[in-house]
Amino acid sequence: DAMVIQNPRYQVTQFGKPVTLSCSQTLNHNVMYWYQQKSSQAPKLLFHYYDKDFNNEADTPDNFQSRRPNTSFCFLDIRSPGLGDAAMYLCATSRSQGTSGRPAQYFGPGTRLTVT
Amino acid sequence: DQQVKQNSPSLSVQEGRISILNCDYTNSMFDYFLWYKKYPAEGPTFLISISSIKDKNEDGRFTVFLNKSAKHLSLHIVPSQPGDSAVYFCAVTYPQVSNYQLIWGAGTKLIIKP
Repeated sequence: DAMVIQNPRYQVTQFGKPVTLSCSQTLNHNVMYWYQQKSSQAPKLLFHYYDKDFNNEADTPDNFQSRRPNTSFCFLDIRSPGLGDAAMYLCATSRSQGTSGRPAQYFGPGTRLTVT
Repeated sequence: DQQVKQNSPSLSVQEGRISILNCDYTNSMFDYFLWYKKYPAEGPTFLISISSIKDKNEDGRFTVFLNKSAKHLSLHIVPSQPGDSAVYFCAVTYPQVSNYQLIWGAGTKLIIKP
């Protein structure tokens, strides 16, 4: 059973045309993350939500925005995609800290974004 | 400066033998260590983790060892199976209340030969 779902799996957009990627989860985790991963490099964290609190990484470009309308859903908006934004975008979720041990992050299958 | 290093970009192991994946880190404040496995065109899958207060954690064929004095983490897979062929990332966390950032290694591609 899919626990972190990302749609679509593959997205093609034109240079400069806004695009939205979506993520949903059935784990009821209160932390959700968006990562960018290029080729076989390590994932790069863009931002995360702790409940409704948005936390942006310092080096995340302004071109990337996010929305979390409820616990289950989170969206990544790329306002004006450039060729350099072509990548795999990964959504992940975790429980908050305070429970036993450090919570692992559970990843969705990713959305492969192509910019033409 | 890379805080988490996986010095072997790839590793080839015969099916049925032990695979040992290594990871070195620089900061003794890291408190939790995780291993993820990634197939092409899929998201990383959580495998196993270990807290800094332990030196070994085992789950089936997977065992993670932590050597804090050497700042070294390793993942042992035994016996190795063809389905284990993937890229393996180690990741660590800081003990910060509001920061959930994982610090990732660059990954090691494991190839299991039949």
